[in-house]
Amino acid sequence: DAGVIQSPRHEVTEMGQEVTLRCKPISGHNSLFWYRQTMMRGLELLIYFNNNVPIDDSGMPEDRFSAKMPNASFSTLKIQPSEPRDSAVYFCASRGDRSRTDTQYFGPGTRLTVL
Amino acid sequence: AQKVTQAQTEISVVEKEDVTLDCVYETRDTTYYLFWYKQPPSGELVFLIRRNSFDEQNEISGRYSWNFQKSTSSFNFTITASQVVDSAVYFCALSEPLIYNQGGKLIFGQGTELSVKP
Repeated sequence: DAGVIQSPRHEVTEMGQEVTLRCKPISGHNSLFWYRQTMMRGLELLIYFNNNVPIDDSGMPEDRFSAKMPNASFSTLKIQPSEPRDSAVYFCASRGDRSRTDTQYFGPGTRLTVL
Repeated sequence: AQKVTQAQTEISVVEKEDVTLDCVYETRDTTYYLFWYKQPPSGELVFLIRRNSFDEQNEISGRYSWNFQKSTSSFNFTITASQVVDSAVYFCALSEPLIYNQGGKLIFGQGTELSVKP
């Protein structure tokens, strides 16, 4: 079975540019999570979706960040405009419904560098 | 508020030594889940184990074992006869309870970097 797929794996951009990160959850999973990992703050939740609906976006840093889940197999996290402090590894994770598992499975991450 | 503390930032051992990674958590919920994830140098996060708050039975999986004690709010991870391939950052995480299949975001500890020398 394919795991969570993220693209791109690495992204280098300049300050002010728009960045779009993509995620394909595990087939059949109905919850999707976006996390960010930095040295200073560790791993923190940005937003999560349940059945394609955003449930908790309290971790989204500011209006420059937005996330969408147009269907059950695809989600995007967009940063516009990007800033150097957005440099981090962004992870996507998915989880099945309660009858199957409560475990979140993570994608390989996208390493973002904003110059 | 929920919180996970991994007091050991870095641990270095020699191959074949046993090593225990500590995890202490705080939560007011009576129902919750605890997890361990491994992050090898390649960067991905690999799920190792999940334990719910009603199951205090210790678990063993090969060289890995976990000790869950609600009385001390701890969920420690032991690697027996460590190997170089165990070198990684290990994260302990706490999950809030699911309500109508919603919720369950993970609160991570800061991680423990384990280095196993040959």
